[in-house]
Amino acid sequence: DADVTQTPRNRITKTGKRIMLECSQTKGHDRMYWYRQDPGLGLRLIYYSFDVKDINKGEISDGYSVSRQAQAKFSLSLESAIPNQTALYFCATGETQGAQGEQYFGPGTRLTVT
Amino acid sequence: GENVEQHPSTLSVQEGDSAVIKCTYSDSASNYFPWYKQELGKGPQLIIDIRSNVGEKKDQRIAVTLNKTAKHFSLHITETQPEDSAVYFCAALMDSSYKLIFGSGTRLLVRP
Repeated sequence: DADVTQTPRNRITKTGKRIMLECSQTKGHDRMYWYRQDPGLGLRLIYYSFDVKDINKGEISDGYSVSRQAQAKFSLSLESAIPNQTALYFCATGETQGAQGEQYFGPGTRLTVT
Repeated sequence: GENVEQHPSTLSVQEGDSAVIKCTYSDSASNYFPWYKQELGKGPQLIIDIRSNVGEKKDQRIAVTLNKTAKHFSLHITETQPEDSAVYFCAALMDSSYKLIFGSGTRLLVRP
Protein backbone atom coordinates (compact mmCIF):
# COMPACT_ATOMS: atom_id res chain seq x y z
CA ASP A 1 0.00 0.00 0.00
CA ALA A 2 1.08 3.56 -0.71
CA ASP A 3 2.54 5.50 2.21
CA VAL A 4 0.64 8.71 1.33
CA THR A 5 -2.83 8.42 -0.16
CA GLN A 6 -5.15 11.08 -1.48
CA THR A 7 -8.86 10.95 -2.21
CA PRO A 8 -10.42 11.61 -4.59
CA ARG A 9 -7.88 11.30 -7.42
CA ASN A 10 -10.04 13.31 -9.78
CA ARG A 11 -12.92 15.67 -9.15
CA ILE A 12 -15.01 17.94 -11.31
CA THR A 13 -17.20 20.44 -9.50
CA LYS A 14 -19.13 23.61 -10.15
CA THR A 15 -18.38 27.17 -9.06
CA GLY A 16 -19.62 27.85 -5.53
CA LYS A 17 -19.59 24.25 -4.32
CA ARG A 18 -17.77 23.14 -1.19
CA ILE A 19 -15.07 20.56 -1.80
CA MET A 20 -12.92 18.51 0.57
CA LEU A 21 -9.73 16.74 -0.44
CA GLU A 22 -8.41 14.14 1.96
CA CYS A 23 -4.92 12.89 2.73
CA SER A 24 -3.84 9.94 4.84
CA GLN A 25 -0.35 8.67 5.63
CA THR A 26 1.13 5.55 7.16
CA LYS A 27 4.69 6.90 7.43
CA GLY A 28 4.23 8.05 11.04
CA HIS A 29 5.40 11.56 10.17
CA ASP A 30 4.37 14.53 12.27
CA ARG A 31 4.49 17.11 9.49
CA MET A 32 1.93 17.31 6.70
CA TYR A 33 1.60 19.75 3.82
CA TRP A 34 -0.81 20.73 1.07
CA TYR A 35 0.57 22.05 -2.22
CA ARG A 36 -0.98 23.28 -5.41
CA GLN A 37 0.64 22.68 -8.81
CA ASP A 38 -0.08 24.81 -11.87
CA PRO A 39 1.71 24.51 -15.22
CA GLY A 40 4.97 26.47 -15.22
CA LEU A 41 4.64 27.49 -11.57
CA GLY A 42 6.03 24.52 -9.72
CA LEU A 43 4.57 23.59 -6.35
CA ARG A 44 3.18 26.28 -4.09
CA LEU A 45 2.46 25.73 -0.42
CA ILE A 46 -1.15 26.23 0.71
CA TYR A 47 -1.08 25.11 4.36
CA TYR A 48 1.15 23.03 6.59
CA SER A 49 0.90 21.37 9.98
CA PHE A 50 3.75 20.30 12.24
CA ASP A 51 1.51 18.34 14.60
CA VAL A 52 -2.17 17.80 15.36
CA LYS A 53 -2.58 21.13 17.17
CA ASP A 54 -0.48 23.16 14.75
CA ILE A 55 -1.82 24.75 11.54
CA ASN A 56 0.08 27.33 9.48
CA LYS A 57 -0.71 29.28 6.34
CA GLY A 58 1.51 28.90 3.33
CA GLU A 59 2.03 31.33 0.48
CA ILE A 60 -1.40 30.87 -1.16
CA SER A 61 -3.90 30.08 1.63
CA ASP A 62 -6.69 32.46 0.56
CA GLY A 63 -9.83 30.53 -0.39
CA TYR A 64 -8.67 27.35 1.37
CA SER A 65 -8.95 25.88 4.86
CA VAL A 66 -7.52 22.73 6.44
CA SER A 67 -8.20 20.32 9.27
CA ARG A 68 -5.69 18.01 10.97
CA GLN A 69 -8.03 15.35 12.33
CA ALA A 70 -5.25 13.05 13.54
CA GLN A 71 -1.52 12.61 13.09
CA ALA A 72 -2.20 10.57 9.97
CA LYS A 73 -4.95 12.70 8.39
CA PHE A 74 -4.89 16.18 6.90
CA SER A 75 -7.77 17.48 4.79
CA LEU A 76 -8.02 20.52 2.52
CA SER A 77 -11.31 22.33 1.94
CA LEU A 78 -12.42 24.80 -0.67
CA GLU A 79 -15.42 26.50 0.93
CA SER A 80 -16.72 28.00 -2.30
CA ALA A 81 -14.81 26.73 -5.32
CA ILE A 82 -13.92 29.09 -8.15
CA PRO A 83 -12.52 28.28 -11.62
CA ASN A 84 -9.00 29.57 -10.88
CA GLN A 85 -8.70 26.87 -8.23
CA THR A 86 -8.55 24.33 -11.03
CA ALA A 87 -5.18 22.64 -10.46
CA LEU A 88 -3.35 19.55 -9.25
CA TYR A 89 -3.27 19.28 -5.46
CA PHE A 90 -0.62 17.32 -3.60
CA CYS A 91 -0.34 16.27 0.00
CA ALA A 92 3.10 15.61 1.47
CA THR A 93 4.54 14.41 4.78
CA GLY A 94 7.82 14.98 6.53
CA GLU A 95 9.72 14.14 9.68
CA THR A 96 10.28 16.42 12.65
CA GLN A 97 13.39 14.63 13.84
CA GLY A 98 16.11 13.01 11.83
CA ALA A 99 16.00 13.79 8.13
CA GLN A 100 14.51 17.26 8.39
CA GLY A 101 13.39 18.73 5.14
CA GLU A 102 12.66 15.48 3.32
CA GLN A 103 9.09 15.40 2.09
CA TYR A 104 7.13 12.54 0.58
CA PHE A 105 4.28 13.24 -1.79
CA GLY A 106 0.97 11.56 -2.46
CA PRO A 107 -0.26 10.81 -5.99
CA GLY A 108 -2.24 14.03 -6.29
CA THR A 109 -5.84 15.10 -6.86
CA ARG A 110 -6.79 16.70 -10.14
CA LEU A 111 -9.52 19.26 -9.42
CA THR A 112 -11.53 20.99 -12.12
CA VAL A 113 -13.92 23.81 -11.23
CA THR A 114 -16.37 24.69 -14.01
CA GLY B 1 11.02 37.17 -0.58
CA GLU B 2 12.32 33.65 -0.66
CA ASN B 3 12.76 32.43 -4.20
CA VAL B 4 14.21 29.52 -6.18
CA GLU B 5 14.88 29.95 -9.88
CA GLN B 6 15.30 26.91 -12.12
CA HIS B 7 16.70 26.65 -15.66
CA PRO B 8 16.08 25.52 -18.29
CA SER B 9 12.32 25.05 -18.37
CA THR B 10 12.65 22.37 -21.06
CA LEU B 11 15.61 20.20 -22.02
CA SER B 12 15.89 17.68 -24.83
CA VAL B 13 18.88 15.33 -25.04
CA GLN B 14 19.87 12.26 -27.00
CA GLU B 15 19.88 8.96 -25.15
CA GLY B 16 23.31 8.45 -23.62
CA ASP B 17 24.13 12.14 -23.36
CA SER B 18 24.30 14.07 -20.09
CA ALA B 19 21.70 16.51 -18.77
CA VAL B 20 22.28 19.39 -16.38
CA ILE B 21 19.60 21.42 -14.58
CA LYS B 22 20.53 24.49 -12.56
CA CYS B 23 18.88 26.30 -9.66
CA THR B 24 19.65 29.43 -7.69
CA TYR B 25 18.18 30.38 -4.33
CA SER B 26 17.81 33.64 -2.46
CA ASP B 27 17.91 32.74 1.25
CA SER B 28 21.52 32.37 2.37
CA ALA B 29 20.32 30.48 5.48
CA SER B 30 18.97 27.59 3.37
CA ASN B 31 20.70 24.34 4.30
CA TYR B 32 18.90 21.53 2.49
CA PHE B 33 18.43 21.13 -1.28
CA PRO B 34 16.37 18.22 -2.64
CA TRP B 35 15.59 17.24 -6.21
CA TYR B 36 12.30 15.66 -7.18
CA LYS B 37 11.29 13.72 -10.29
CA GLN B 38 7.66 13.81 -11.37
CA GLU B 39 6.39 11.34 -13.93
CA LEU B 40 3.13 11.83 -15.75
CA GLY B 41 0.13 11.31 -13.49
CA LYS B 42 2.23 10.84 -10.35
CA GLY B 43 3.38 12.86 -7.39
CA PRO B 44 6.92 14.19 -7.12
CA GLN B 45 9.45 11.62 -5.93
CA LEU B 46 12.62 12.53 -4.05
CA ILE B 47 15.60 11.31 -6.10
CA ILE B 48 18.60 12.96 -4.43
CA ASP B 49 19.34 15.69 -1.94
CA ILE B 50 22.28 17.58 -0.51
CA ARG B 51 22.87 19.42 2.73
CA SER B 52 24.97 22.52 3.08
CA ASN B 53 27.90 20.78 4.74
CA VAL B 54 28.89 19.01 1.51
CA GLY B 55 29.63 20.25 -2.00
CA GLU B 56 28.73 17.20 -4.05
CA LYS B 57 26.74 14.00 -3.74
CA LYS B 58 26.43 11.17 -6.21
CA ASP B 59 24.05 8.24 -6.57
CA GLN B 60 24.74 6.04 -9.59
CA ARG B 61 23.95 8.14 -12.69
CA ILE B 62 22.73 11.22 -10.84
CA ALA B 63 24.74 13.79 -8.91
CA VAL B 64 24.07 17.11 -7.26
CA THR B 65 26.57 19.90 -6.70
CA LEU B 66 26.20 22.86 -4.36
CA ASN B 67 27.98 26.21 -4.36
CA LYS B 68 26.88 28.02 -1.20
CA THR B 69 28.92 31.13 -1.97
CA ALA B 70 27.14 31.63 -5.27
CA LYS B 71 23.84 30.23 -3.91
CA HIS B 72 23.33 27.77 -6.68
CA PHE B 73 23.04 24.02 -7.04
CA SER B 74 22.77 21.69 -10.01
CA LEU B 75 21.48 18.24 -10.95
CA HIS B 76 23.61 16.15 -13.30
CA ILE B 77 22.27 13.05 -15.02
CA THR B 78 24.80 11.00 -17.00
CA GLU B 79 24.15 8.32 -19.61
CA THR B 80 20.53 9.41 -19.91
CA GLN B 81 17.86 6.83 -20.71
CA PRO B 82 14.32 7.27 -22.04
CA GLU B 83 12.92 6.47 -18.57
CA ASP B 84 14.67 9.60 -17.29
CA SER B 85 12.10 11.64 -19.23
CA ALA B 86 10.02 13.51 -16.63
CA VAL B 87 9.65 16.88 -14.95
CA TYR B 88 12.37 17.66 -12.41
CA PHE B 89 11.98 20.12 -9.55
CA CYS B 90 14.65 21.60 -7.34
CA ALA B 91 13.83 23.02 -3.91
CA ALA B 92 15.49 24.80 -1.02
CA LEU B 93 14.58 24.50 2.64
CA MET B 94 14.02 27.80 4.39
CA ASP B 95 15.81 27.08 7.66
CA SER B 96 13.81 29.48 9.81
CA SER B 97 10.43 28.10 8.78
CA TYR B 98 11.25 24.55 7.63
CA LYS B 99 9.33 25.22 4.43
CA LEU B 100 10.47 23.96 1.03
CA ILE B 101 10.47 26.53 -1.77
CA PHE B 102 10.29 24.88 -5.18
CA GLY B 103 11.65 25.89 -8.54
CA SER B 104 9.27 26.05 -11.49
CA GLY B 105 10.40 22.71 -12.95
CA THR B 106 12.34 21.39 -15.95
CA ARG B 107 10.73 19.09 -18.47
CA LEU B 108 13.42 16.64 -19.60
CA LEU B 109 12.94 14.65 -22.77
CA VAL B 110 15.42 11.89 -23.59
CA ARG B 111 15.20 10.98 -27.29
CA PRO B 112 15.86 7.29 -28.11
